[in-house]
Amino acid sequence: AQTVTQSQPEMSVQEAETVTLSCTYDTSENNYYLFWYKQPPSRQMILVIRQEAYKQQNATENRFSVNFQKAAKSFSLKISDSQLGDTAMYFCAFMKHTGNTGKLIFGQGTTLQVKP
Amino acid sequence: EAGVTQSPTHLIKTRGQQATLRCSPISGHTSVYWYQQALGLGLQFLLWYDEGEERNRGNFPPRFSGRQFPNYSSELNVNALELEDSALYLCASSFNTGGSNEKLFFGSGTQLSVL
Repeated sequence: AQTVTQSQPEMSVQEAETVTLSCTYDTSENNYYLFWYKQPPSRQMILVIRQEAYKQQNATENRFSVNFQKAAKSFSLKISDSQLGDTAMYFCAFMKHTGNTGKLIFGQGTTLQVKP
Repeated sequence: EAGVTQSPTHLIKTRGQQATLRCSPISGHTSVYWYQQALGLGLQFLLWYDEGEERNRGNFPPRFSGRQFPNYSSELNVNALELEDSALYLCASSFNTGGSNEKLFFGSGTQLSVL
């Protein structure tokens, strides 16, 4: 069975600075997807970034980038130039690629506070 | 383009009643997923529907059920409500890209409170 672990329940960062959120996972699959979702107070889960496990290049989306270490089963999210609107809960998630079950497995979440 | 929409936003029921939650996917998406986000339990996969059929089910009792309509919208029904069913229920949708549904888009959820 797959598991996703986020070991930082809460983090804070000053506006305009950089912060890194950690995520580790466990799987015996070789092909899969990894995601970071953001859940602001509005409760909507917003897809931040997606990584395909068979791609070695780290995914980037504007100020958001990941450090994907497949052998270490690590998938951290870096937020550069943090903005007040980045304040939210962030979830790391895993999905199998082959034999897809439609099932995202989420970590416990990290609450990020961006301070002015 | 409209995102995933869910209704109602909030729902208050008493123990033993039935709740019906609704979800409209993004236009063009054929897959709909339901997740439960309960305090202390995180996000748990409930159900996956695609092309009108149930494709997968999470570890939930049979009183959690649903369906998908020809227009790809979906309903989640929870029968015989229990206090621990109180949670945020999130719906997501995606394209069904040949079995590799790798990008899910979520709605804002229905907050169900069972008294």
